[in-house]
Amino acid sequence: QIQLVQSGPELKKPGESLKISCKASGYTFTDYAMQWVKQAPGKGLQYMGWINTQTGKPTYADDFKERFVFSLETSASTAYLQINNLKNEDTATYFCARSGVPDFDYWGQGVMVTVSS
Amino acid sequence: DVVLTQTPPTLSATIGQSVSISCRSSQSLLDSDGDTYLNWLLQRPGQSPQLLIYSVSNLESGVPNRFSGSGSETDFTLKISGVEAEDLGVYYCMQATHAPDTFGAGTKLELK
Repeated sequence: QIQLVQSGPELKKPGESLKISCKASGYTFTDYAMQWVKQAPGKGLQYMGWINTQTGKPTYADDFKERFVFSLETSASTAYLQINNLKNEDTATYFCARSGVPDFDYWGQGVMVTVSS
Repeated sequence: DVVLTQTPPTLSATIGQSVSISCRSSQSLLDSDGDTYLNWLLQRPGQSPQLLIYSVSNLESGVPNRFSGSGSETDFTLKISGVEAEDLGVYYCMQATHAPDTFGAGTKLELK
C-alpha cells in the first residue's frame, strides 16, 4: 500500500539547521511530485511548495524562498525538507503529501519541529 | 494569491444531523483546461489531513458517500448528510488552479 513515512520530531536552537525526510513506498516515486505543507501549533495549513521528482526542480511559495530547500534522493524514494538558520516561527508540524491524481491524495504523518533557545 | 474564505469557522452538530460548509474564492477556480481544482480535506485531531473530495464534487476512494461537494467558479459547498462521530475535526478547502496552492482557514466540526 502507498505510504509516506516521515522522520521523527526535532528540537533545535535558533540559528541551527535541520533536514526532514519523507520516504515513499508502494508506488513509483518519480511518477508523482511531492508537496510540502506547514502547520503552526493550533493553526491551519500553509502551502510551502513542491518538488518535481523527475527533474529535482523545486518550486517555493513566497514565504519559503529564503531558508527552505527541497531535495531528493531518488534511489531511496525519499524527499527532504531542509530549513536553515532556524527561527522561533519555524516551530510547526511539517507534512509531505503526494501530488497524485488527485493532488494531496496521500500524506505523511508529519514531523513536529520545535525551535527554542 | 487566491484567498479562500470558509464559513462558519466552527460548526456544532448532533450525530445524524446534516451540515454544510461554505468556501468562497477571491477569484474563479475554473482552470483553462476546463477543470476546477477545488478540494476538501479533513484533519481529525492529532492526525494528518486526508483528502475527501477533489475537483469540486469527486469523492476520493474510500470516503463515505455521506460527503458531497458542489459549486462552481467562486462558491463551493461541502455537505455531510448525517454526521457521524468519526467526522469530527477540522475541514479545509484548498485550491490548486492558481499557483501557489492555497488553503482556507478551516472549519471545526464539533459535537453539540
